[in-house]
Amino acid sequence: QVKVVQSGGGVVRPGGSLRLSCAASGFSLNDFGIHWVRQAPGKGLEWVAFIRYNKDFKFFGDSVKGRFTISGDNSNTVYLQMDRLRPEDTAVYYCVKDNELGGLFDFWGQGTPVTVSS
Amino acid sequence: EVLLTQSPDTLSLSPGQRATLSCRASQGVGKYLAWYQVKPGQAPRLLIYDVSNRATGTPARFSGSGFGTDFTLTISSLEPEDFAVYYCQQRDVWPPWTFGQGTRVEI
Repeated sequence: QVKVVQSGGGVVRPGGSLRLSCAASGFSLNDFGIHWVRQAPGKGLEWVAFIRYNKDFKFFGDSVKGRFTISGDNSNTVYLQMDRLRPEDTAVYYCVKDNELGGLFDFWGQGTPVTVSS
Repeated sequence: EVLLTQSPDTLSLSPGQRATLSCRASQGVGKYLAWYQVKPGQAPRLLIYDVSNRATGTPARFSGSGFGTDFTLTISSLEPEDFAVYYCQQRDVWPPWTFGQGTRVEI
């Protein structure tokens, strides 16, 4: 059964850092990529980042480029490291499995809230 | 970056009525357009991909059409559980993968 389970998140002051984790089961991250998508309060969906191990792909949205990094390990887990956080990064962050067709978000994590506030 | 513009922002309808949601792309995206449903407090759910293919579990009352820059999601007869926000998303030109701003379907 395909699942992505998220952890991390919370409240942080502007300029601070947080790390989100995404544990995948039922599929291998060597075969499928992982996206991060966020939804700010009262706003729409925004794609944030993507990682695909076996093609060495890492992409970031312009709003987070240079501040967020993405990585993975051998435990089938992906991490989103968020540095120099801003109030506008406040959102629910979703880890999402990439579909085999590419660029489709087919299995979503439960979402984890991130609040950046002084 | 491909901009997706959805219309209307809000659709006020009753159960049993037909809903027609539009999505327009700033440049052609071929057939690579998907639709997602978002309910309060829940993760988004993939409904339709590549214009008209229903994802696993999507009821037959949901259908999609279009090509290039103009796309439509139709819900033939609204059920109470269909009242939600719907987003279109393109996967033709990336990165970034982009979403529309959403259409709220409300009672």
